[in-house]
Amino acid sequence: DAGVIQSPRHEVTEMGQEVTLRCKPISGHNSLFWYRQTMMRGLELLIYFNNNVPIDDSGMPEDRFSAKMPNASFSTLKIQPSEPRDSAVYFCASSEQGRGYTFGSGTRLTVV
Amino acid sequence: KQEVTQIPAALSVPEGENLVLNCSFTDSAIYNLQWFRQDPGKGLTSLLLIQSSQREQTSGRLNASLDKSSGRSTLYIAASQPGDSATYLCAVTLGSGNTPLVFGKGTRLSVIA
Repeated sequence: DAGVIQSPRHEVTEMGQEVTLRCKPISGHNSLFWYRQTMMRGLELLIYFNNNVPIDDSGMPEDRFSAKMPNASFSTLKIQPSEPRDSAVYFCASSEQGRGYTFGSGTRLTVV
Repeated sequence: KQEVTQIPAALSVPEGENLVLNCSFTDSAIYNLQWFRQDPGKGLTSLLLIQSSQREQTSGRLNASLDKSSGRSTLYIAASQPGDSATYLCAVTLGSGNTPLVFGKGTRLSVIA
């Protein structure tokens, strides 16, 4: 099993540009979570999906953020337009009915 | 709202020492508790998962205990090594299991050779 796969590993973009982060969960896992990690706030939940359906997006900072899960094997997190305060590490995780959570390696986003 | 606290925030110990990391949570109705390790600039590696019906889990030199009624968990590391240096994160879930993890801020551990 390749684990949770995130791309890109690093992204540097200019303020105002659109950024798309991608995630492939572990096959058979029916829940997918997007987290953001910063030094100040630690790990924060942005949004999560069960069976491809968004359940709670209350952690999404503002309308500039959006997430989709078109099928069980793919999810995207989009920021448009990006701002310097969006700079952070974004993690995707998947789980199967409480049998533990597996995290991807993360995407380090820098907005200049 | 579930809150998870980890004490201490940072810890430095000499190699070979046994140590305990603490985690507390405000809502005892958890589904499970998971300990993770994070190396600088890296992702999260799962160490131990404790279901709400369990009291402890062991893996090698690591032992995690869970006391739901008091809202506490401890991670015991025996005979610490410099390779154990990392940030250790505690996280809990509520509900049926397909709900998000709520994380503590972590304990940054340094093991000095």
